[in-house]
Amino acid sequence: DVVMTQSPLSLPVTLGQPASISCRSSQSLVHSDGVTYLNWFQQRPGQSPRRLIYKVSNRESGVPDRFSGSGSGTDFTLKISRVEAEDVGVYYCLQQTHRPLTFGGGTKVEIK
Amino acid sequence: EVQLVESGGGLVKPGGSLRLSCAASGFTFTTAWMSWVRQAPGKGLEWVGRIRSKSGGGTTEYAAPVKGRFTISRDDAKNTLSLQMDSLKTEDTAVYYCTSMSIWGQGTLVTVSS
Repeated sequence: DVVMTQSPLSLPVTLGQPASISCRSSQSLVHSDGVTYLNWFQQRPGQSPRRLIYKVSNRESGVPDRFSGSGSGTDFTLKISRVEAEDVGVYYCLQQTHRPLTFGGGTKVEIK
Repeated sequence: EVQLVESGGGLVKPGGSLRLSCAASGFTFTTAWMSWVRQAPGKGLEWVGRIRSKSGGGTTEYAAPVKGRFTISRDDAKNTLSLQMDSLKTEDTAVYYCTSMSIWGQGTLVTVSS
């Protein structure tokens, strides 16, 4: 199985400052069709997960443009340009290139 | 309104069975590849399995911990996804989410305990 390793586990951030979360996979996430199926999800406290980013860098409709995804191969990053209070929660990466699908362990974003 | 609504969770004894349902509305369910994802109390997200759309072959895939015990099915006429869970273990205790990955339900809690 593809292991997805996120860092850091916990990320205290100051309001208005940037934040960055890393997700590394144990093998390349480039599918045989040439697409990289790497997603990012946000789970606010007490809520269901919500997809923010799909295929590395595509924002879901309604997701603020302060969220951006980047990366390739085995190394991916979710960036928040200016953290707001509503961004508190746990962030997960998910790969859909290989079976079984696998999630990262999560990164908890909190306000300092 | 686009939504997924799960039902059927509850308390069941180890070795027992439970069937979860997920009602879809507001989007084209028939073309969606649907997954079940679970989250044990205080833990992260774990993919359980998925079913492709009929046009995608309608086939199913499962995570190793549930393979042979869980069965995913769909009724496109009723816009419904199901998860049949047999031979339940205490480690299956979790909130179970129905999802297309872009759309998520609110989850339903399954507790396996004697």
